Amino acid sequence: NAGVTQTPKFQVLKTGQSMTLQCAQDMNHEYMSWYRQDPGMGLRLIHYSVGAGITDQGEVPNGYNVSRSTTEDFPLRLLSAAPSQTSVYFCASSYSGGRMNNSPLHFGNGTRLTVT
Amino acid sequence: GESVGLHLPTLSVQEGDNSIINCAYSNSASDYFIWYKQESGKGPQFIIDIRSNMDKRQGQRVTVLLNKTVKHLSLQIAATQPGDSAVYFCAEDGNTGNQFYFGTGTSLTVIP
Repeated sequence: NAGVTQTPKFQVLKTGQSMTLQCAQDMNHEYMSWYRQDPGMGLRLIHYSVGAGITDQGEVPNGYNVSRSTTEDFPLRLLSAAPSQTSVYFCASSYSGGRMNNSPLHFGNGTRLTVT
Repeated sequence: GESVGLHLPTLSVQEGDNSIINCAYSNSASDYFIWYKQESGKGPQFIIDIRSNMDKRQGQRVTVLLNKTVKHLSLQIAATQPGDSAVYFCAEDGNTGNQFYFGTGTSLTVIP
């Protein structure tokens, strides 16, 4: 299994541009999520999905959209990039079984985004 | 919101010594706790987990201790090796059913 795969690894955007960060997992996990990681702040949840067709907001959802049309894929869209969105973005998945306390999150290796 | 903190942001140990990384959590209803290791340029990697009905769990060279009375979690690494140098995070489920809450991490440096 490849696990959780994120593309691209690096991206530079200008303010106002849009882009999609891709995330795919091959573990048949129900739960998928997006986090951003900023220095000194830990991982913060942007959006999550408990299954295909279901998404919900996390702690910091503004400026981001997600969709979950398949179990495998969970893309994150930046609608109009801002410098405040410069960060490292991690996609993570787990077999939740309906509750988060069933299994740990498995992370991808991240997308490093810079917005100028 | 949840608050998961670490007592020390950095820790340096000699190769071969044991390491102890601490974590305080705020939600007494949290049921599930995880330790992650993050190497530079990579995503967090699962190390070990523990549920609230346990006080201790051992893995290969690692032990997690849970003290629910004082809401404290620790990760012990035996015979620390240079490959253990990384940032270590704890996470709790907060008993919310939809997300984990992460601390900011402790940077462990192993001195050869």
